[in-house]
Amino acid sequence: AQKITQTQPGMFVQEKEAVTLDCTYDTSDPSYGLFWYKQPSSGEMIFLIYQGSYDQQNATEGRYSLNFQKARKSANLVISASQLGDSAMYFCAMRERAISGAGSYQLTFGKGTKLSVIP
Amino acid sequence: GAGVSQSPSNKVTEKGKDVELRCDPISGHTALYWYRQRLGQGLEFLIYFQGNSAPDKSGLPSDRFSAERTGESVSTLTIQRTQQEDSAVYLCASSLELVGETQYFGPGTRLLVL
Repeated sequence: AQKITQTQPGMFVQEKEAVTLDCTYDTSDPSYGLFWYKQPSSGEMIFLIYQGSYDQQNATEGRYSLNFQKARKSANLVISASQLGDSAMYFCAMRERAISGAGSYQLTFGKGTKLSVIP
Repeated sequence: GAGVSQSPSNKVTEKGKDVELRCDPISGHTALYWYRQRLGQGLEFLIYFQGNSAPDKSGLPSDRFSAERTGESVSTLTIQRTQQEDSAVYLCASSLELVGETQYFGPGTRLLVL
């Protein structure tokens, strides 16, 4: 089973509107973290927002907020007041302790959602 | 301060040749990760370094892939006898090794194997 599922290969949103990008995850680790990254066409991965599994409140960073529903294992990204510069690929990722026990916290990524903002 | 840097930014090589990719992490970041991103896909974990601990190599796809890191500085990812399926963007990330610390990515090296 996939650990991170992003069901929307592509999304369109009108400039200045809000948009929600879906992400569901699967883990048995009680301590995990959820991340969203933005990847413009230039290729760099830009960190947007983080939510820890024990955090009581939804994370917010400027125009970005994370709708964390732990029981449903979903961590949707909400972008308010979309801008043309928001057009990019968006990846949801999860950090959990490696099964190997080496202590690393590698990220497992979803396949991404391509967001296009329409003027 | 400076972000994660990677070199070269692009590499074209012939099948069967060896390639070496370099990553300079953010100063003070003890953890370093390599990922691979195939065209149109998400990132796949390759290898992780943390200080002087044994690296976590669980993501390396074959024994043609290896990586080294000297202390908490530069890392090199080596791919021997490259194959066409190795064509991808190789991304390096670094973080403070504390629980929940964010990984910051470099710009990547785009590898094309002809």
